Amino acid sequence: DTGVSQNPRHKITKRGQNVTFRCDPISEHNRLYWYRQTLGQGPEFLTYFQNEAQLEKSRLLSDRFSAERPKGSFSTLEIQRTEQGDSAMYLCASSLGRNTGGQETQYFGPGTRLLVL
Amino acid sequence: KQEVTQIPAALSVPEGENLVLNCSFTDSAIYNLQWFRQDPGKGLTSLLLIQSSQREQTSGRLNASLDKSSGRSTLYIAASQPGDSATYLCAVVGGAQKLVFGQGTRLTINP
Repeated sequence: DTGVSQNPRHKITKRGQNVTFRCDPISEHNRLYWYRQTLGQGPEFLTYFQNEAQLEKSRLLSDRFSAERPKGSFSTLEIQRTEQGDSAMYLCASSLGRNTGGQETQYFGPGTRLLVL
Repeated sequence: KQEVTQIPAALSVPEGENLVLNCSFTDSAIYNLQWFRQDPGKGLTSLLLIQSSQREQTSGRLNASLDKSSGRSTLYIAASQPGDSATYLCAVVGGAQKLVFGQGTRLTINP
């Protein structure tokens, strides 16, 4: 399968614990995005990378959230001291990253569903 | 701040009908608009991407139109089938690279 993959697919944790999610984009895709989706809503942008550089962060990304893409390939999203409000589907997407005009299709992974008890 | 609205929030139609889903956005300065499909508990599947310079795109039984000046897009589904049941999301890309999504239309096609 050459699509975007995310691990784990499901995560249940207790409030206050740290969690880390991984995203593997489509190979040769330079841009990688993270979104968060709560029940009944559309996804909301969190952050995106062009290669290893993190170029934009949403104000939704509090200090407890950190994302990395150290070698410009896979990315990790870590949430520290989780809260019940962090329960959501975390979606990763990638695109070629060769067009600066935003005219590229973003391809999404299956998501990681987080439940904070 | 760009806001995207989708109407209706839910739609139920009998199999075989043609239907239209609506999407509106507040800022016409967009690069493109994408329509996605999302099955329950799953990720998003891209259906159609319309560049800002285009007026419509077609793929099989799907046709999406874009009117930037009025801030509107429609997704037309012809000859609906039960397998079309899903949530349909529209999203726009503006000056930044991020997609701004509507809240989706939950579509049910009844056999």
